[in-house]
Amino acid sequence: AQSVTQLDSHVSVSEGTPVLLRCNYSSSYSPSLFWYVQHPNKGLQLLLKYTSAATLVKGINGFEAEFKKSETSFHLTKPSAHMSDAAEYFCVVSATDSWGKLQFGAGTQVVVTP
Amino acid sequence: SAVISQKPSRDICQRGTSLTIQCQVDSQVTMMFWYRQQPGQSLTLIATANQGSEATYESGFVIDKFPISRPNLTFSTLTVSNMSPEDSSIYLCSVEDPDRQGYNEQFFGPGTRLTVL
Repeated sequence: AQSVTQLDSHVSVSEGTPVLLRCNYSSSYSPSLFWYVQHPNKGLQLLLKYTSAATLVKGINGFEAEFKKSETSFHLTKPSAHMSDAAEYFCVVSATDSWGKLQFGAGTQVVVTP
Repeated sequence: SAVISQKPSRDICQRGTSLTIQCQVDSQVTMMFWYRQQPGQSLTLIATANQGSEATYESGFVIDKFPISRPNLTFSTLTVSNMSPEDSSIYLCSVEDPDRQGYNEQFFGPGTRLTVL
């Protein structure tokens, strides 16, 4: 069984300040972890993924995430928020025995203020 | 990366009717998935559709309500049958495609926004 918990349903940041989106996971097997972003009225876009290689994963648009097995966490960060980062972010887990099935977190809505 | 299109992009339907959503991929893929995103909610997997076999449904979803076809490696349909307002959601298809290192990534279609009156 696998699950993912996004600890914040809503995050508000000022433009130019750091962004932190928190995610904890639970998985019986070695998981693959992903962050997806969904802009209003647009499709889902993959930001980055962890697949048992380097624990610090760099993605698109300046985002990165660190896989911490001891804390079962996969938090997403960005050093400096941009107005275009305003969107819904989903932390997603897939276990090696799940045949590609993705388990989505509840999502975190990010608001960026000028 | 796989490019996915869905038809229709949105629709407004009357309760009791059915709607078939199409998903087309620009390359051959083994596994396709259908998800539902209810208003203000996250995505929930409905079923996995592999070519040449019956779709596998997740708990809470049944074939009579959401019949799926997968006639070839680039196409699938999802039908929402006997619709009620509770079926108002965005329906998304996705496919697995390997990246350059051979790890499977899932790519999502733009979604079909369904409103049931």
